[in-house]
Amino acid sequence: QQQVKQSPQSLIVQKGGISIINCAYENTAFDYFPWYQQFPGKGPALLIAIRPDVSEKKEGRFTISFNKSAKQFSLHIMDSQPGDSATYFCAASLTRSGSARQLTFGSGTQLTVLP
Amino acid sequence: DSGVTQTPKHLITATGQRVTLRCSPRSGDLSVYWYQQSLDQGLQFLIQYYNGEERAKGNILERFSAQQFPDLHSELNLSSLELGDSALYFCASSPGTGVRANEKLFFGSGTQLSVL
Repeated sequence: QQQVKQSPQSLIVQKGGISIINCAYENTAFDYFPWYQQFPGKGPALLIAIRPDVSEKKEGRFTISFNKSAKQFSLHIMDSQPGDSATYFCAASLTRSGSARQLTFGSGTQLTVLP
Repeated sequence: DSGVTQTPKHLITATGQRVTLRCSPRSGDLSVYWYQQSLDQGLQFLIQYYNGEERAKGNILERFSAQQFPDLHSELNLSSLELGDSALYFCASSPGTGVRANEKLFFGSGTQLSVL
């Protein structure tokens, strides 16, 4: 019940296209949903995040769409650029006994944007 | 640059050995987190320390241990190493306890451990 399922495993998009990565969760106790971007040789870095009481959040070319009833959320990258080529992880977090927060990651999507 | 420093960047060792990975958090951050990233398990949370005290425990094996020192740097000790322990180990830090949902985690560049 702690799992976050992410798809696709890999994605190839042409420059200027829209990249869409999907995630699904089971545990309704999750109350925060961040997305992380990881470049080769680097650690993950927070990209954008959303709370479940919001259906959409946009920051520049990056948008999270959230469907609470379906327990699904997705990352949309508009006007994808070669510099966006990276591995993207969705995640979900919840509090543990009120004293700590548990962050569960999806399996990752390797995005390649062709020039 | 996240401000989180991990050493060494690469570590090659043999089965049965013991290694220590080191992490210096961002200046002012009180929490340190350890994650393991492998191809089959993805990013798995191991353990969190806050201001020297263990705060949360995840999927950490009994052969693994960690501590956070008074200067807030942390070490992850891996012993009786097995082939399956080969992975990328990340350290992350955050300013507070990490209980707040929007408290940002800053990840280091990781230590690549290869057990031969």
